[in-house]
Amino acid sequence: AQSVTQLDSQVPVFEEAPVELRCNYSSSVSVYLFWYVQYPNQGLQLLLKYLSGSTLVKGINGFEAEFNKSQTSFHLRKPSVHISDTAEYFCAVSDQQGNTGKLIFGQGTTLQVKP
Amino acid sequence: DGGITQSPKYLFRKEGQNVTLSCEQNLNHDAMYWYRQDPGQGLRLIYYSQIVNDFQKGDIAEGYSVSREKKESFPLTVTSAQKNPTAFYLCASSIRPGQGFGEAFFGQGTRLTVV
Repeated sequence: AQSVTQLDSQVPVFEEAPVELRCNYSSSVSVYLFWYVQYPNQGLQLLLKYLSGSTLVKGINGFEAEFNKSQTSFHLRKPSVHISDTAEYFCAVSDQQGNTGKLIFGQGTTLQVKP
Repeated sequence: DGGITQSPKYLFRKEGQNVTLSCEQNLNHDAMYWYRQDPGQGLRLIYYSQIVNDFQKGDIAEGYSVSREKKESFPLTVTSAQKNPTAFYLCASSIRPGQGFGEAFFGQGTRLTVV
């Protein structure tokens, strides 16, 4: 079975400061990894994904994430945040071996960017 | 514009009533999914379908039912057997797993409240 743990439920940060949102996963098989963002009362939008290849993945809105297989982590980073980045962020995994496309989500991290 | 449309955006249900949430996509995706979102719990899979006339239970299927009579439509019925239906419901779609891995696209969600 797979699981995803987002280590921080809330992350407050000042505008223009760097931020890291942490994600660890557990799986006995190879996985695909994703970060999604959700603005209030809206659906989820894909920020970035790791399927294979380079472990440093760049996404939209200046976000990037690094896949670390030995530490089973996929932390999300941004060097300088804006007020508009305030949202909830979800890390998710999908089983490479299975053929369902199902996603297992973490509990979410609320990023609060302060002026 | 291609995308996923969920309706209604807000839905109120009286105790003992069945209600149906609509999900329509024009992305020509084979696979569709229903997730439930509760505060602090991330998203949990209710049902998924990889092809027309076929669907599978997810992790929390009890009290829910679905149908997949058309490729573009995947309605979810919340039955009176679901004891705690108040939540935010998200529909998603992707290309058929096994034909390569595609990201999941999400609708804007339906917020269901029991009154």
